[in-house]
Amino acid sequence: DARVTQTPRHKVTEMGQEVTMRCQPILGHNTVFWYRQTMMQGLELLAYFRNRAPLDDSGMPKDRFSAEMPDATLATLKIQPSEPRDSAVYFCASGRDSPMDEQFFGPGTRLTVL
Amino acid sequence: TQLLEQSPQFLSIQEGENLTVYCNSSSVFSSLQWYRQEPGEGPVLLVTVVTGGEVKKLKRLTFQFGDARKDSSLHITAAQPGDTGLYLCAGASLTDSWGKFQFGAGTQVVVTP
Repeated sequence: DARVTQTPRHKVTEMGQEVTMRCQPILGHNTVFWYRQTMMQGLELLAYFRNRAPLDDSGMPKDRFSAEMPDATLATLKIQPSEPRDSAVYFCASGRDSPMDEQFFGPGTRLTVL
Repeated sequence: TQLLEQSPQFLSIQEGENLTVYCNSSSVFSSLQWYRQEPGEGPVLLVTVVTGGEVKKLKRLTFQFGDARKDSSLHITAAQPGDTGLYLCAGASLTDSWGKFQFGAGTQVVVTP
């Protein structure tokens, strides 16, 4: 049963600390997405990778957020320094070939910045 | 501001009743997707519609894409407690080069036994 995995599932940190969230996409999928979900804004796209190359990160605050794919089995999203307004659930999703195909979402990382 | 407006925001009904949720926009979409999200999990795709006027049925769920491809609706017949969840619509804009999907805020549906 292939699934997208995300770690950690929950993270509580203090303002100013670095946060790293990890995602393992489904084997064979070559598109990876990072989303942020809050009550106020809903589900927002932060970054999109295809074949490990970043194609769109226009939704991501550039000064503190960074997203990378060191290899095909790992995607990371880092926040440095973290702020209380970054508190949200961060989802990773993967898919085949194009964004028009089905995206399979992971269970999310619930981040709380105090 | 949301590109996609979903209504209602919250819906509570009894088992066996019917319900309809709406997804509206002033923009034209090349395609539109509906997802259901349960607590503590990520959204799961229910359907993708691509043609104006298209109607798709998935058991008790009926999805319709507006003729102008600006709006969509999801109708559930004889709702069951298992239909409880957050229903999200997502539209792929014609103006984005790679067909990026933008999500609505969702409709929270609660079906009580």
